[in-house]
Amino acid sequence: RKEVEQDPGPFNVPEGATVAFNCTYSNSASQSFFWYRQDCRKEPKLLMSVYSSGNEDGRFTAQLNRASQYISLLIRDSKLSDSATYLCVVNTHTGGFKTIFGAGTRLFVKA
Amino acid sequence: DAGVTQSPTHLIKTRGQHVTLRCSPISGHKSVSWYQQVLGQGPQFIFQYYEKEERGRGNFPDRFSARQFPNYSSELNVNALLLGDSALYLCASSPVEQYQETQYFGPGTRLLVL
Repeated sequence: RKEVEQDPGPFNVPEGATVAFNCTYSNSASQSFFWYRQDCRKEPKLLMSVYSSGNEDGRFTAQLNRASQYISLLIRDSKLSDSATYLCVVNTHTGGFKTIFGAGTRLFVKA
Repeated sequence: DAGVTQSPTHLIKTRGQHVTLRCSPISGHKSVSWYQQVLGQGPQFIFQYYEKEERGRGNFPDRFSARQFPNYSSELNVNALLLGDSALYLCASSPVEQYQETQYFGPGTRLLVL
């Protein structure tokens, strides 16, 4: 089993749609969580951190469920510019620091 | 302010050769991490350095090594290159030991091993 798993997609949605991505992680000792966005042939860029209480940034909402070990990202009112790969990231700091990226979920937003 | 810079941007090597990749973090950032990303996959963690000490290591063979200099820049070295080492190598920096911190990525070095 992979340490961080994501549905690879692709998700094809029309502009204005709401889309949700989930990510599961296997290490219950994981301590911090993030969503990154990666455009084709570019470096990953932070989209948002994920907190246990849930957090929102404009059209984006992230949730963390520690009991079930999953993280979610909700994008409302999708824009063409949201088309990218979304990477789930988990940091663990037991027995040395480790960052684990999921393989990413591809999103295509169409006019 | 300049972001994370990496050099070279592209590199072609042959099997068995050695390669050194370089990274300069954002000014004031003391932590640098290295990742390998192959097509269609997320970045795979190789090393993290903080204050010139190795603080984390991923599941990579001993052919991979790294170091961090007093100015917080870093080098990733790969010996005895294999075809499978062809990938995008990403460097990321963060202000402190990246327990909870955002990582800022450089544009990467694209390595092709023939």
